[in-house]
Amino acid sequence: GNSVTQMEGPVTLSEEAFLTINCTYTATGYPSLFWYVQYPGEGLQLLLKATKADDKGSNKGFEATYRKETTSFHLEKGSVQVSDSAVYFCALTTGYGGSQGNLIFGKGTKLSVKP
Amino acid sequence: DTGVSQNPRHKITKRGQNVTFRCDPISEHNRLYWYRQTLGQGPEFLTYFQNEAQLEKSRLLSDRFSAERPKGSFSTLEIQRTEQGDSAMYLCASSLLGLDRGPRTEAFFGQGTRLTVV
Repeated sequence: GNSVTQMEGPVTLSEEAFLTINCTYTATGYPSLFWYVQYPGEGLQLLLKATKADDKGSNKGFEATYRKETTSFHLEKGSVQVSDSAVYFCALTTGYGGSQGNLIFGKGTKLSVKP
Repeated sequence: DTGVSQNPRHKITKRGQNVTFRCDPISEHNRLYWYRQTLGQGPEFLTYFQNEAQLEKSRLLSDRFSAERPKGSFSTLEIQRTEQGDSAMYLCASSLLGLDRGPRTEAFFGQGTRLTVV
């Protein structure tokens, strides 16, 4: 079946460090891939997405590239800030054209950034 | 529009009681989803509606669970005869699907209802 595996947390970094959170997936067909972020006390928010192979999603300095050959969608940021502290979820859907009929989430990775 | 609204934010109930949660999606969003999230896990899909029609239900949705969206606007999720294993955060999300079946917006999530069964 379809599934998402992301690296275990928590991840603790110093401000301005480079961030990578690994995400790999198993899916039939051609899934769309997403990163969601959950800040403390808030709901899930879409951070970025990619709907086909080799697409790069980007937002707020974060990037992720849809790699079909390695079935991966790793999240990266060149210089993290304290305000990036949150839980990050990788997700996929196989809905038509990226329509999100059913999002499948990874377990989440908690990021803590220290000043 | 203030986004997806869920009520109540917290609910504590005794085992065996029935509970009902409400979700008000973003106006004009035709899709509405329910997810469940337990501690240390990602959200798990429960069910979704296209307007008032319930189109898909996860096997996680036992017969004690029922969801409705009677007029294609707000939705309710009811759990009958609650069990301790039902303790979780219940998330609602909504999105807009275009007439061509392609997405017009991503899924916007509410802040959730945290259920504790004691």
